[in-house]
Amino acid sequence: GQQVMQIPQYQHVQEGEDFTTYCNSSTTLSNIQWYKQRPGGHPVFLIQLVKSGEVKKQKRLTFQFGEAKKNSSLHITATQTTDVGTYFCAGQATSGTYKYIFGTGTRLKVLA
Amino acid sequence: NAGVTQTPKFRILKIGQSMTLQCTQDMNHNYMYWYRQDPGMGLKLIYYSVGAGITDKGEVPNGYNVSRSTTEDFPLRLELAAPSQTSVYFCASRPGGSTDTQYFGPGTRLTVL
Repeated sequence: GQQVMQIPQYQHVQEGEDFTTYCNSSTTLSNIQWYKQRPGGHPVFLIQLVKSGEVKKQKRLTFQFGEAKKNSSLHITATQTTDVGTYFCAGQATSGTYKYIFGTGTRLKVLA
Repeated sequence: NAGVTQTPKFRILKIGQSMTLQCTQDMNHNYMYWYRQDPGMGLKLIYYSVGAGITDKGEVPNGYNVSRSTTEDFPLRLELAAPSQTSVYFCASRPGGSTDTQYFGPGTRLTVL
């Protein structure tokens, strides 16, 4: 079945450093979403990418969708302590199903 | 709008007991989902529904049942609780189509002893 992997599993950075997490799917995706989950909280939607090679920015966050629509990345510039949490990607397969398969997540810790 | 609400917030069950996790959304969304999240792990899809009366299995459906008699409600039933079902359960909903977000509830933390 479809699998979605993320690397790294954990990342500790000093405040002000950049951070990147990568998401790789075993199958081609129709679209991919990114979520942030604060410790003890629930996932909160960040963005959705649909087109091959798409790049979207939200302030310090940059999201990319690969040309083959099998991988994606999230890059945070100049991390802040408020960026702490776990970042998940979630992919929807091209088979027309309505379900999303979540990645394994990257847990980010920002050291002040 | 309250969004997606889940009850209870916490529950401890004994092995073999049964319970229903409640999920309600007031956004008139067609699609609803149940996920489980084990400690330090990602979310696994248990069941989902594309509308009232329609449900389908996700990645890890064994040991669970669902029903969708109304647009608003999507309860998850555990029939014979096992320690392997200790997890945080999240319900989510989304409007429909292929380009929109999932809105998550606050979660139910379940422990089976």
